[in-house]
Parts: sequence; structure tokens; C-alpha cells
Amino acid sequence: GENVEQHPSTLSVQEGDSAVIKCTYSDSASNYFPWYKQELGKRPQLIIDIRSNVGEKKDQRIAVTLNKTAKHFSLHITETQPEDSAVYFCAASGGYSTLTFGKGTMLLVSP
Amino acid sequence: DSGVTQTPKHLITATGQRVTLRCSPRSGDLSVYWYQQSLDQGLQFLIQYYNGEERAKGNILERFSAQQFPDLHSELNLSSLELGDSALYFCASSYTGGVDYGYTFGSGTRLTVV
Repeated sequence: GENVEQHPSTLSVQEGDSAVIKCTYSDSASNYFPWYKQELGKRPQLIIDIRSNVGEKKDQRIAVTLNKTAKHFSLHITETQPEDSAVYFCAASGGYSTLTFGKGTMLLVSP
Repeated sequence: DSGVTQTPKHLITATGQRVTLRCSPRSGDLSVYWYQQSLDQGLQFLIQYYNGEERAKGNILERFSAQQFPDLHSELNLSSLELGDSALYFCASSYTGGVDYGYTFGSGTRLTVV
């Protein structure tokens, strides 16, 4: 089955800096890669996703890149703000398979 | 409000007991997924139902079972509870049996086994 590795497990940045979280996956058949944000005590919420026929996708301050050859994808957050502090999860899926999640990255943005 | 409703929000029970967690998917969604979230294990997939039928199984213990009813709500039954079963249990739903549009998660049920 699919295996997703996520790094780093914790990330501390200053407000205004950029943050990058990286994931690798094992199943070359995976073709859908969402990112979820989970604030303390709350449910995971989808923030951005990318499909295998796209190399990069942007939505305001967040972007995701995908390298299918290397089987890795990354989340980029620019101009970080304290409200970006949360746990971020990457995930991978092969269409009709279920999502396999990485173990999460705790992002702390200090004012 | 995500549209996925989970009850109860909190549950405290003793070891050896049995509990039932309930999930109502978003209107129109046919697929329900159950995940367990503990501090050191992240989001672990338990089981998926699509339109009343089991579609996929993950790391679900034999003490755990689930079903999806004709009205598409789902229940996760946990029996012979152990301390290690304490976790946050999330239900998610999607329109199709696949994940092409991502999951929508409910707010979770926090289970504490004492």
C-alpha cells in the first residue's frame, strides 16, 4: 500500500518568513495529493490539492509543487502569519483508493 | 460547520466497555471514512463505506466494526475497550467512492478510556 513520509515534524518561523513542508510517497499510481490544516482541537480542513497532471498550483499565499518522477510534493506558505500556526498534513491517493496521510508538521509562526 | 456531523463530541468510558460513534455525512455524499488520530500515529485510516457497502479496510482492529445504513449515516462500534484506544475519531465523507475532490471531515469524537 501507499506510504507517505512528511518532514519536518516541527517548524518554527518568524512572521513574514516562508515555510516549506515536504512529503514523499511510495505508490507511483497515486495521482491526487491534498494538504490539510488542523488547528488545535479542530477537524482537518482541506487547504489546497494537486493532481498528477499538474506540476504546481497556487492559491494566494500557499502553493503546492509536485515532482512525479521523484515522487515528492511540497507545500509552500509565503508571508506567514500567526494564524497559520497549526498542524499540516499531506496525503496521497490513487483515485479510488483512500487517502494515506503523512504524520503531520506542527508549524509555529512567532510574531 | 462542515456538514459532516459526528456525535457524541466527547466520550469517557471504562476499560472493557463498548461504545458507538455516529456519523452523518454531508448531504449528497455517498462515501464515509473513519480515521483514528492519536498523538504519535497521525491520521490512521480504519474503514470506508460507499453507499451502504464496505469499500476499503485499513488498520482496523477486530474489536472494532462499522456499518453504513440506508440513510447513509454510519456507526463505528468499539468493544472491549483498552486504554490505548483513547484517541480522536474522525469521520469524513465524499461524494464518490474515490477521493478526487478530497474529504470533508467532521469535528470528531474524543474518546477517553479510563
